[in-house]
Amino acid sequence: GAVVSQHPSRVICKSGTSVKIECRSLDFQATTMFWYRQFPKQSLMLMATSNEGSKATYEQGVEKDKFLINHASLTLSTLTVTSAHPEDSSFYICSARDYRTVMNTEAFFGQGTRLTVV
Amino acid sequence: SQQGEEDPQALSIQEGENATMNCSYKTSINNLQWYRQNSGRGLVHLILIRSNEREKHSGRLRVTLDTSKKSSSLLITASRAADTASYFCATDQNVAGGTSYGKLTFGQGTILTVHP
Repeated sequence: GAVVSQHPSRVICKSGTSVKIECRSLDFQATTMFWYRQFPKQSLMLMATSNEGSKATYEQGVEKDKFLINHASLTLSTLTVTSAHPEDSSFYICSARDYRTVMNTEAFFGQGTRLTVV
Repeated sequence: SQQGEEDPQALSIQEGENATMNCSYKTSINNLQWYRQNSGRGLVHLILIRSNEREKHSGRLRVTLDTSKKSSSLLITASRAADTASYFCATDQNVAGGTSYGKLTFGQGTILTVHP
């Protein structure tokens, strides 16, 4: 299957700082990327959908100014957690799909980023 | 928002036994997918079943889909300790015109523990 690379896998940052997480599709063009957040022993909650070259669409309740998403190319999307607080500590996972072939095809996921804000 | 519900939330079995997990959803779908997640890792795709399919097999996996009841089940036969993981169903919603935006909605997941 296709490969999606996400890094860093783990990051610890201080409160008030910003953290950038990268998600790259290595062998296909990801027209659409999705960012999820997962709390321990819980399911994935979609945060936002990013389409290459356009603004991200955020789910209800997700602060767009806090979670900045950039999808500047067909192979790279970034999520920046700004002014991080301890409650932002979580597991963040990206997923990539090619919109042109999205019908009845699987999504490909990165390995996730464990963010700890101290 | 999460639309899927899975049961059981946790399942503990012995190696060699079968494991069955169920998933329910609320909207019209194009397909339903099952994923596996090892602790602290990303998701691995297991199997996709289209809305016009009722049953699908892949190795030791068997998935059923009942669109009239909006439910699906995942059966893992002859389980192994290495099958220990969380399992999620995810629905690919049917948007107007039969298209999909590619956005998956995940169920709450089942934590499977297989004891050697």
